[in-house]
Amino acid sequence: GAGVSQSPSNKVTEKGKDVELRCDPISGHTALYWYRQSLGQGLEFLIYFQGNSAPDKSGLPSDRFSAERTGGSVSTLTIQRTQQEDSAVYLCASSLVVLAGGSKRDEQYFGPGTRLTVT
Amino acid sequence: AQSVSQHNHHVILSEAASLELGCNYSYGGTVNLFWYVQYPGQHLQLLLKYFSGDPLVKGIKGFEAEFIKSKFSFNLRKPSVQWSDTAEYFCAVSGVSGGYNKLIFGAGTRLAVHP
Repeated sequence: GAGVSQSPSNKVTEKGKDVELRCDPISGHTALYWYRQSLGQGLEFLIYFQGNSAPDKSGLPSDRFSAERTGGSVSTLTIQRTQQEDSAVYLCASSLVVLAGGSKRDEQYFGPGTRLTVT
Repeated sequence: AQSVSQHNHHVILSEAASLELGCNYSYGGTVNLFWYVQYPGQHLQLLLKYFSGDPLVKGIKGFEAEFIKSKFSFNLRKPSVQWSDTAEYFCAVSGVSGGYNKLIFGAGTRLAVHP
């Protein structure tokens, strides 16, 4: 089946503009994650959605960042008033969380990412 | 604080050499452990994973990793590398209970294999 897809693959925007990044997870996966990969910071967690639970937003770097997941499937990450330090590759991952023996097994599959450049 | 440390940032090997990439983690509680690989121009792919049971896990392309709980380590090994193994390798950890689903990644190790 299809993997995680993300669009656009590349986005160049001017400082101060808003951008929206899209993620289509693997069908049937209940969990969806956003991460950011940048030269200075490596791979950082941003936000996590699991079913109908409240999202874990603990990794969002500022209130300019927000994300939503509609219908338990597609997710959109929005960055308002972009800054040059927002330039990075934004990665989406999805997983099917399995409970086994009282513990959780969560195998995340990553999409190709969106390379965001803020000029 | 939760963290993952990868000891080598850059590794250069000749084909057929053996590989060992170090990974140590700091995490309060039981963990799931992963190695991801990113080939040039490609996205992150899962190489292998440890959830429980046998601490020696085998992944794709002849890679294996050993979980040593007492040392908080999950080193990646391959007996004989190939040029096609040139990539960046990331060690990651996540929790097994509560809301600790997020992956915490190490800084990555760039492996260059020369023919």
